[in-house]
Amino acid sequence: DTGVSQNPRHKITKRGQNVTFRCDPISEHNRLYWYRQTLGQGPEFLTYFQNEAQLEKSRLLSDRFSAERPKGSFSTLEIQRTEQGDSAMYLCASSPPPSQGGLLQQYFGPGTRLTVT
Amino acid sequence: AQKITQTQPGMFVQEKEAVTLDCTYDTSDPSYGLFWYKQPSSGEMIFLIYQGSYDQQNATEGRYSLNFQKARKSANLVISASQLGDSAMYFCAMREAGGADGLTFGKGTHLIIQP
Repeated sequence: DTGVSQNPRHKITKRGQNVTFRCDPISEHNRLYWYRQTLGQGPEFLTYFQNEAQLEKSRLLSDRFSAERPKGSFSTLEIQRTEQGDSAMYLCASSPPPSQGGLLQQYFGPGTRLTVT
Repeated sequence: AQKITQTQPGMFVQEKEAVTLDCTYDTSDPSYGLFWYKQPSSGEMIFLIYQGSYDQQNATEGRYSLNFQKARKSANLVISASQLGDSAMYFCAMREAGGADGLTFGKGTHLIIQP
């Protein structure tokens, strides 16, 4: 039984560099979510996909943030021109279709911790 | 305005005691779901329990129960017979049917179980 996986688990980058994170959802889950969690706060919703369609992206923090899910399976989150304020844990979650209980919970991955120096 | 409010930043509880973690929410959507997640120091979010706005009964999952008071917009988590392994951050979250599909989280409560 494989859960949601995220790579890398940790990323240290210099300010101004671009970074990309990958999320592999549970295989039969068609919905995929990205969140950001800063120290001492709860996760903050960023965007989500239903299959390959990005249905919500107004919550992305700036135009430096973008996400893709080209084939409806794995997803990537890219941050361009990173800033120190981007340092956070980036969490991915997935859920099955509503007909299979998808409204009842989201399954989270272990997260990618980003440190911008 | 905060949609999810958790007023207890930290709590210390003796092992084997019951503990109640507070959560109040704010929504005008008649259809919504309320969730509790546990986040141990490893960082992974672990789903604990769910309550739908139309559910008549309070949700229970093993040692976890949700004290749902709809008129007060309150969804407190009750952990019975606490264990050392319950030490973690606990987050209350909400999904509104008319909103984006993501969860809105509170700031969390840091629960420490003492032997």
